[in-house]
Amino acid sequence: DAGITQSPRHKVTETGTPVTLRCHQTENHRYMYWYRQDPGHGLRLIHYSYGVKDTDKGEVSDGYSVSRSKTEDFLLTLESATSSQTSVYFCAISGPRGGGGYEQYFGPGTRLTVT
Amino acid sequence: QQQVKQSPQSLIVQKGGISIINCAYENTAFDYFPWYQQFPGKGPALLIAIRPDVSEKKEGRFTISFNKSAKQFSLHIMDSQPGDSATYFCAARGGGADGLTFGKGTHLIIQP
Repeated sequence: DAGITQSPRHKVTETGTPVTLRCHQTENHRYMYWYRQDPGHGLRLIHYSYGVKDTDKGEVSDGYSVSRSKTEDFLLTLESATSSQTSVYFCAISGPRGGGGYEQYFGPGTRLTVT
Repeated sequence: QQQVKQSPQSLIVQKGGISIINCAYENTAFDYFPWYQQFPGKGPALLIAIRPDVSEKKEGRFTISFNKSAKQFSLHIMDSQPGDSATYFCAARGGGADGLTFGKGTHLIIQP
């Protein structure tokens, strides 16, 4: 998984509670991303970061916030979880490689269930 | 608005056959087109990728064909094996550090 870990790997929480998912990388890559995967939707971008303290919204950012205080860590927070946020969440990283490619590599995912 | 359309949703191919998955995109600003392979319970794994200045790229049994004028690209898996059974996603990326826009996926089954 390209030096990416996600924690927790599984979580069950109740509607209305805050939840924070963590992504940790050991590749020192500049760019980090959070996606969610739902049946019939593929993967959709929630937020991304292009450096420490630099973040931006993706396609489905409502209800989510992110923070990046260190290069290696990218946190995704659900301020008040809803059942519609039940999903599998993937973190991805990318950085310049030989030839300037920006391939994205994904972590193992976190399965979140909101009851 | 779905910017990357992928077909078919599911595909069954006999062992040794050719698997073909197609994608079409709308945004002409896309400049990078990867394919990902995903096994159940795992994260997507980068399989092969192409840029629009190239019409074809081959890596082992996997080939991407790219038609810029038609805004279409496809994945061909030659000599398909049961171990290739997985879900495949096409994707596209805009300039810079933008995230990827994914197709909805194709569930591929290779029958022995």
